[in-house]
Amino acid sequence: QKEVEQNSGPLSVPEGAIASLNCTYSDRGSQSFFWYRQYSGKSPELIMFIYSNGDKEDGRFTAQLNKASQYVSLLIRDSQPSDSATYLCAVTASNTGKLIFGQGTTLQVKP
Amino acid sequence: DTEVTQTPKHLVMGMTNKKSLKCEQHMGHRAMYWYKQKAKKPPELMFVYSYEKLSINESVPSRFSPECPNSSLLNLHLHALQPEDSALYLCASSQGAGATYTGELFFGEGSRLTVL
Repeated sequence: QKEVEQNSGPLSVPEGAIASLNCTYSDRGSQSFFWYRQYSGKSPELIMFIYSNGDKEDGRFTAQLNKASQYVSLLIRDSQPSDSATYLCAVTASNTGKLIFGQGTTLQVKP
Repeated sequence: DTEVTQTPKHLVMGMTNKKSLKCEQHMGHRAMYWYKQKAKKPPELMFVYSYEKLSINESVPSRFSPECPNSSLLNLHLHALQPEDSALYLCASSQGAGATYTGELFFGEGSRLTVL
């Protein structure tokens, strides 16, 4: 089992729809969870982080965390073509504090 | 504008060359990182410097040699690389350092390395 698992996609949604990106992790002791966005040919950019169970909203983005189910998700409301990118889920390992990345989900938002 | 600056943006080198990648941050961050990223893969951690001291080396081959001259600068010296080392090399920094590393990383734009 991979430490951080994501569906590689591509996930295709029409413009204006809600895009839902999911991630599961194996380290039950992990405390910090992150979503990075990476455009093709560019470097990753941190867009959301969440440390507590529940939802955290920032503009069109909502991160959701369920530690009991070891599940974290990112919702993008009113998806725009400019949201088309690879979204990397990352989790800090409880024993080392290192950041463990998932393989990333490619999102395509079609006009 | 990125607050982590990497140079050069592109580098082509032969297997016998010696070159260096440079990274600079002016955010007062205490930890700096080198990552390697291959196409369609997530970034792979190579080295971490915490308070200018090497704290993590992820069993990286000795042909990669990191250096942290001061808290704002990070170098990666390259020597006798192999074609399979061709990748995007990312520098990152974080405010947190020490035993607990924050996952709030600020990445530079990367240096795309091609080894012939």
